[in-house]
Amino acid sequence: DTEVTQTPKHLVMGMTNKKSLKCEQHMGHRAMYWYKQKAKKPPELMFVYSYEKLSINESVPSRFSPECPNSSLLNLHLHALQPEDSALYLCASSQVGAFMVFGTKGLMNTEAFFGQGTRLTVV
Amino acid sequence: AQTVTQSQPEMSVQEAETVTLSCTYDTSENNYYLFWYKQPPSRQMILVIRQEAYKQQNATENRFSVNFQKAAKSFSLKISDSQLGDTAMYFCASSGENNAGNMLTFGGGTRLMVKP
Repeated sequence: DTEVTQTPKHLVMGMTNKKSLKCEQHMGHRAMYWYKQKAKKPPELMFVYSYEKLSINESVPSRFSPECPNSSLLNLHLHALQPEDSALYLCASSQVGAFMVFGTKGLMNTEAFFGQGTRLTVV
Repeated sequence: AQTVTQSQPEMSVQEAETVTLSCTYDTSENNYYLFWYKQPPSRQMILVIRQEAYKQQNATENRFSVNFQKAAKSFSLKISDSQLGDTAMYFCASSGENNAGNMLTFGGGTRLMVKP
């Protein structure tokens, strides 16, 4: 199973709503990511979880709140969003990137698997 | 820090022909991976091909191959025998050493249209 499953596929929400995006993988990956992608632009990294702990927050506004309840699940809680937050939200997973062996850092093959994304529209 | 640049916003190719997409990158890391991802209208990012920077041999994957020029920091993608299903956005990306996972830095993308 090499799938990353995101739900819902489409979401329309008002600026006062609270909603959540969900992401699930069963590949045993211990790194999970949220990316935001605007139309005709590349994905931009938002958050990285490594071993279920938030390791990177790319200065994302607090109206986006990530959560990693276990190694297979990643959520993104949304509250008080703005219309400019409308975008495609992509979840990805991979093995953790680096490892230490006898004091030497090595780089693992860390292919990232992406979900199909949630198309979010804020009205 | 890493940067990835794709200088061709759009390209087109006739079906069955060959096309090359350009990518240059900059990194201060010694170990890194380079990737080409494809994003069709279905939106899912799909890995096309991967190159490990310490390997001199260019990666190939069926009709897809790369020309990796490490000194020039260039990583182009060649698609042979183009098919209609190759129509998509193509993103060049790099990842480097970190303990957090595969943080990808993407180029701006090239929209490829394969014409019948």
